[in-house]
Amino acid sequence: GNSVTQMEGPVTLSEEAFLTINCTYTATGYPSLFWYVQYPGEGLQLLLKATKADDKGSNKGFEATYRKETTSFHLEKGSVQVSDSAVYFCALRRYQAGTALIFGKGTTLSVSS
Amino acid sequence: AAGVIQSPRHLIKEKRETATLKCYPIPRHDTVYWYQQGPGQDPQFLISFYEKMQSDKGSIPDRFSAQQFSDYHSELNMSSLELGDSALYFCASSPGTDNSPLHFGNGTRLTVT
Repeated sequence: GNSVTQMEGPVTLSEEAFLTINCTYTATGYPSLFWYVQYPGEGLQLLLKATKADDKGSNKGFEATYRKETTSFHLEKGSVQVSDSAVYFCALRRYQAGTALIFGKGTTLSVSS
Repeated sequence: AAGVIQSPRHLIKEKRETATLKCYPIPRHDTVYWYQQGPGQDPQFLISFYEKMQSDKGSIPDRFSAQQFSDYHSELNMSSLELGDSALYFCASSPGTDNSPLHFGNGTRLTVT
C-alpha cells in the first residue's frame, strides 16, 4: 500500500541553523508529494509540492526535490527562524479524483533564538 | 482568497450523544475530505466525496456517516459518541480532476465527556 515515513522528532535547532527533515515514501505509480505545516492550535497549511520526478518544490525558503530513484522528498531550509517552529508533515496523493492525502507521522521542529 | 469553512469551531458532547460537523469547500472545489487528528497524532483520513459521490474511504467508524450536498458542502454525522472520539476534525477541499493539493479548514475540536 501507499505510505510515508518521516524522521522522528523533535528536531531542536538554533536560529539560522540548517534544517533537513527526511521523508521517504512507498507508492504504486507516480504520486504527487507534499509538505504541510501545522502551527500550534491551527490547521494544516500547504508548504510546497512536487508532482513528478525531479520536480523541486519551494516556498518561504523551504525546498524539497522529488527523487524517484530513492523514493524521497526531504525538506530543507538553509537558515531557520524561531517562527518556523511547528509540526511538519510529509504527504503523498495518488492521481485519481477524490483520493486521500496520506500523511507521515509528522516531525516537530523547535527553533530557539 | 476564500478558504475552507468549518463549523462549529468547538463542540462539547456527552457520551452516546450525536454530533454533526459541517464543511463548506472553497468555491469551485468539487471534492471534500474528512480527517481526524488526535493529540500529537498525524491526521487520519476518514472519507472523501467527489461530485457528491463517495470517492475514497479510510478508517471511518460505522457510527459515523457523511455526505456531500448539491452545493458541495459536506456534513459529518457522528452517533453514539465515545470518549475516544475526542479529537480535531479537519475538512479539506480540492478540485477533483487534477493533482492539486488539499486545502484544509481550521478544524472542529470535538470534546466528548
